Amino acid sequence: DVKVTQSSRYLVKRTGEKVFLECVQDMDHENMFWYRQDPGLGLRLIYFSYDVKMKEKGDIPEGYSVSREKKERFSLILESASTNQTSMYLCASRETRNGEQFFGPGTRLTVL
Amino acid sequence: KQEVTQIPAALSVPEGENLVLNCSFTDSAIYNLQWFRQDPGKGLTSLLLIQSSQREQTSGRLNASLDKSSGRSTLYIAASQPGDSATYLCAVDNAGNMLTFGGGTRLMVKP
Repeated sequence: DVKVTQSSRYLVKRTGEKVFLECVQDMDHENMFWYRQDPGLGLRLIYFSYDVKMKEKGDIPEGYSVSREKKERFSLILESASTNQTSMYLCASRETRNGEQFFGPGTRLTVL
Repeated sequence: KQEVTQIPAALSVPEGENLVLNCSFTDSAIYNLQWFRQDPGKGLTSLLLIQSSQREQTSGRLNASLDKSSGRSTLYIAASQPGDSATYLCAVDNAGNMLTFGGGTRLMVKP
């Protein structure tokens, strides 16, 4: 079974802090994604990566950066957290063979 | 730009009913379509994946169909159970690796 894990289920941070969210997949998938999910807005793509050290902006990259130093790990970085980044963050990886995406359990981030 | 719509937004049914969830999309040039389940506060669980060349996929009590020409997919749940209560999301892959999600259908199955 594909397994996508995220470093934290819940995080509380203060405005201005640097925040790291980590995601690890165990199926050697090339493509990995970071989404955020908000009530009434649905799931929106922040960034994705199609290989080590490669990244592409999604629909809402402002205020975020990413890092992919190893194939299995994709990190989302909030350089200076703001209250409007309070959200559920979901990581996913994509099966190359058929395009199926698998999601992690999510990180509920609260920025005070 | 692809747009995905799910109707209804919420549905409440008694246990044992068969039900249909609808998903429509505006751009028929899709690579695949995926149905997910999401429990409150949790991540998404993949239920069914339909490739663009396929018409339907089945898993247990779930059956998903795809009609690319009309831009529609349906998720059929047979003999619904209280454990099926969750939000169901459909998502379309337009071969750019990215998924476009619908807003979801919140399902409640009452005992």
